[in-house]
Amino acid sequence: EADIYQTPRYLVIGTGKKITLECSQTMGHDKMYWYQQDPGMELHLIHYSYGVNSTEKGDLSSESTVSRIRTEHFPLTLESARPSHTSQYLCASSELTLTEAFFGQGTRLTVV
Amino acid sequence: AQTVTQSQPEMSVQEAETVTLSCTYDTSESDYYLFWYKQPPSRQMILVIRQEAYKQQNATENRFSVNFQKAAKSFSLKISDSQLGDAAMYFCAYIYGNKLVFGAGTILRVKS
Repeated sequence: EADIYQTPRYLVIGTGKKITLECSQTMGHDKMYWYQQDPGMELHLIHYSYGVNSTEKGDLSSESTVSRIRTEHFPLTLESARPSHTSQYLCASSELTLTEAFFGQGTRLTVV
Repeated sequence: AQTVTQSQPEMSVQEAETVTLSCTYDTSESDYYLFWYKQPPSRQMILVIRQEAYKQQNATENRFSVNFQKAAKSFSLKISDSQLGDAAMYFCAYIYGNKLVFGAGTILRVKS
């Protein structure tokens, strides 16, 4: 069973609020990822990290930011939430040489 | 462009019967990994099966098997003896640039 955790599972928040989505893994994986899953269910990579102090933009442009201060922790922050940020956010991790990725349960964000 | 195409947005299968989900992909790499992931209504993505492109033998995991046609760049998933618990969204994916690239997904409904 994958040991990767996301909190909160569900979040409803007002426009303009700052939010941080948490993601932690206990597998010692170097690589971590954030995917955005839109209402049509497609997954788009928005951020990834190769390790501590490494962050990269993904294939889909996002107003969110990430940080990687500890290996096990990869939080995603939105400074000012907007209704267009409403989506499902999935965190994943893998070893540095990607042969399999493990996913968290996701955070469903609704901005009203 | 490196893409994954799942041409069936939705499929239905009767319990205990067999269903095949289609996937085609486009890559210029000669060696790569292909995956089928399952996302049940609880939302956590789970790896169903993995295929290494240099292996000619099709991967199998219990009731799940793949038909990997490297020249045709086709990677279909066969689910035998379908169960109610198989109902989920299924994503085909492969690794490109050390990142997972996903198809749009196929919703599988299982009828009792």
